[in-house]
Amino acid sequence: EADIYQTPRYLVIGTGKKITLECSQTMGHDKMYWYQQDPGMELHLIHYSYGVNSTEKGDLSSESTVSRIRTEHFPLTLESARPSHTSQYLCASSASRGDYGYTFGSGTRLTVV
Amino acid sequence: KNQVEQSPQSLIILEGKNCTLQCNYTVSPFSNLRWYKQDTGRGPVSLTIMTFSENTKSNGRYTATLDADTKQSSLHITASQLSDSASYICVVSDRGSTLGRLYFGRGTQLTVWP
Repeated sequence: EADIYQTPRYLVIGTGKKITLECSQTMGHDKMYWYQQDPGMELHLIHYSYGVNSTEKGDLSSESTVSRIRTEHFPLTLESARPSHTSQYLCASSASRGDYGYTFGSGTRLTVV
Repeated sequence: KNQVEQSPQSLIILEGKNCTLQCNYTVSPFSNLRWYKQDTGRGPVSLTIMTFSENTKSNGRYTATLDADTKQSSLHITASQLSDSASYICVVSDRGSTLGRLYFGRGTQLTVWP
């Protein structure tokens, strides 16, 4: 079944640690996105990709980085986690044609202590 | 400034009752408007998507309306169920870029009581 997967679902990590949030989709979508969402607030775009080897920063400044080496995989990395990075991170993908519907993953709830 | 405003911020209703959620937007140019349901701790799931020429679309007990002239949309939920408890997010896309940029509302938190 076509879907988008994020791991881990929950992560508690100490300040200064390096972390990578995984995102994979099986729908063959060329566009992928990372959003950050705090409780009760709207989603903010932090990174997006049009395809392999294409990555751009979104509207919200983020100290994270992303890579797109394979179509189906769009990992997000924080080199040195800080408490201010505590948030929910949502990955999404969409096709370039059709109704432009977005499919979201279940998210990673990150807590930096 | 492109914005999406939702009301009410939160809503509590009894199981079996109907409710209507509102979305006003200032996004221009307009491409489409989507309603998503987001359960606590999960990613948003698409309910409906409407383009400029559509003024109503249904998905089971969910019916969305769109008035592109007044830039308003509503999501009507009929015969509510406990599983409808979630945040409902209105998302508007512009057609001004190849990205089809999305503008998100903050959502309406719906709680359905037995």
